Amino acid sequence: NAGVTQTPKFQVLKTGQSMTLQCAQDMNHEYMSWYRQDPGMGLRLIHYSVGAGITDQGEVPNGYNVSRSTTEDFPLRLLSAAPSQTSVYFCASRRMGQGWHEQYFGPGTRLTVT
Amino acid sequence: GENVEQHPSTLSVQEGDSAVIKCTYSDSASNYFPWYKQELGKGPQLIIDIRSNVGEKKDQRIAVTLNKTAKHFSLHITETQPEDSAVYFCAASGSGGSNYKLTFGKGTLLTVNP
Repeated sequence: NAGVTQTPKFQVLKTGQSMTLQCAQDMNHEYMSWYRQDPGMGLRLIHYSVGAGITDQGEVPNGYNVSRSTTEDFPLRLLSAAPSQTSVYFCASRRMGQGWHEQYFGPGTRLTVT
Repeated sequence: GENVEQHPSTLSVQEGDSAVIKCTYSDSASNYFPWYKQELGKGPQLIIDIRSNVGEKKDQRIAVTLNKTAKHFSLHITETQPEDSAVYFCAASGSGGSNYKLTFGKGTLLTVNP
């Protein structure tokens, strides 16, 4: 298993540009989520999905869109990048069902918006 | 929603000493408390977790304790080694309509000095 994969690893954008951060998992996990990590702020939830066709907002959703057309993929879209979106982005997935199961994180995408 | 406070933000110990990181949570219905280790340039990785029906759990040099009445839980690392140096995050599950989300603390940078 590759686990959770993310592309690209690094990205530099200019203000106003758009881009999509890719996330895929090969563990057949129902739950997938996106976090951003900023210095001193921990991991903050942006959006999450509990299955194909189902998404919901997390703590900091503004400026980001998501969709979930397959179980494996959960892309994060920045429609008009802003310097405040400079951060490290992590995708995560876990199995759902009775109780809680281990959540696996991808290696991250470091995004800089100038 | 759930709120998680984590202390200290930085911790420096000598190799062989013990390290303790503490977290408090606000939602008394939270029932799952994982701890993650994040090495430089990598995604967080689960190291231990505890559920609300258990007061303590150990895995070799790592232990977690949970006090539901006081709403706090702690990570204990004994006989620390340089490879334990990393950022550690605690997290707590939500409840009710938030039970798909993990809320993270802001992290503790642990440095183990040889």
